[in-house]
Amino acid sequence: AQSVTQLGSHVSVSEGALVLLRCNYSSSVPPYLFWYVQYPNQGLQLLLKYTTGATLVKGINGFEAEFKKSETSFHLTKPSAHMSDAAEYFCAASNGAGSYQLTFGKGTKLSVIP
Amino acid sequence: DAGITQSPRHKVTETGTPVTLRCHQTENHRYMYWYRQDPGHGLRLIHYSYGVKDTDKGEVSDGYSVSRSKTEDFLLTLESATSSQTSVYFCAISDTGTGHTGELFFGEGSRLTVL
Repeated sequence: AQSVTQLGSHVSVSEGALVLLRCNYSSSVPPYLFWYVQYPNQGLQLLLKYTTGATLVKGINGFEAEFKKSETSFHLTKPSAHMSDAAEYFCAASNGAGSYQLTFGKGTKLSVIP
Repeated sequence: DAGITQSPRHKVTETGTPVTLRCHQTENHRYMYWYRQDPGHGLRLIHYSYGVKDTDKGEVSDGYSVSRSKTEDFLLTLESATSSQTSVYFCAISDTGTGHTGELFFGEGSRLTVL
């Protein structure tokens, strides 16, 4: 079964600093990969996704992620953190085309220090 | 935003009472899901549905049942609520077919407290 590991349940960065949230998946078959963001008292919304093709994917709010098959990773980055980025971030993976279940990581709460 | 409505949004109940949470979608998506979110556990799948009257269990299905009598509605029932079922419950939907990659669209959540 697919598993998704997010390193660090809580990450703090200064405003303007690089944001790096780590995600590793377990499947030997490259899955479809997703990053979701959750603001307080809200549902999850999709930040970006990787399915096939270009391994560097860009999402909303200046975030991007790179799929690295050799490292089974899909880390999320943003060059310069903004106060509004403070939220919880979830990495998720499916087993590719034809699979309609996502496995989620446990989430990383991002704090941005002014 | 995807048209997903969860009700109730907040509920406080007592141990042993039945509880039903409702998810209503206006997107005509085939798949519907119920997740629970707990600190330190992320999101865990309770049950999902792949069509009217077609449902299956997720990883934490004990103590929960579901029903889907119409494409747009997916009900989650706790037959006899326990304190361990205090959680935030999220409904999600996804579609099938060419171009669909399995991404989920989420409702706003239902916060359930069992005393």
